[in-house]
Amino acid sequence: AQSVTQLDSQVPVFEEAPVELRCNYSSSVSVYLFWYVQYPNQGLQLLLKYLSGSTLVESINGFEAEFNKSQTSFHLRKPSVHISDTAEYFCAVSLPGRGGSEKLVFGKGTKLTVNP
Amino acid sequence: EPEVTQTPSHQVTQMGQEVILRCVPISNHLYFYWYRQILGQKVEFLVSFYNNEISEKSEIFDDQFSVERPDGSNFTLKIRSTKLEDSAMYFCASRRGGTVETQYFGPGTRLLVL
Repeated sequence: AQSVTQLDSQVPVFEEAPVELRCNYSSSVSVYLFWYVQYPNQGLQLLLKYLSGSTLVESINGFEAEFNKSQTSFHLRKPSVHISDTAEYFCAVSLPGRGGSEKLVFGKGTKLTVNP
Repeated sequence: EPEVTQTPSHQVTQMGQEVILRCVPISNHLYFYWYRQILGQKVEFLVSFYNNEISEKSEIFDDQFSVERPDGSNFTLKIRSTKLEDSAMYFCASRRGGTVETQYFGPGTRLLVL
């Protein structure tokens, strides 16, 4: 069965420090991978996604993630975080569903707290 | 920018009562979803809906749950007789269509069953 593991439930860092949020997946089929972010009192927003092609994908706010098929990982990184990056981050895989519905399977989430 | 909206943001109900959670998906989207997140646990898929019928449902989505798109804009999740373990954050999502199009999520409804 397909699953997603986020190894860290909480990651505290200081402002301007680098951060890596880890994500591993297990799947017997080709996967599409996503990172969603949830800011306090808001819904899940797509941060970035890997579908095919270049294994390094970037978001508009400086995050990047690298798809590593041999290690079945899709870790999220940012070289220098801001206070405003404080949020919960969810890694997910997209699985084909009936009728083209494509459901998402999520990890448990990682709470990133950026301290001044 | 269009967004998925959900009402209410919070709902408190007594065990055994019926609740209806409402969602307005993005207007040109064709696929609709409900997910839930029990406190401290993963976001879990409940059901997908396309072309006015359920495409897929998880084993969580038993006979107590139903979904409906009553008027072409709203998408509702009904829990017929709530249990304590139904307490969770419920997220609605919609997707335009096509392969691996992004799912857009609403802000969620926090349901507390007492």
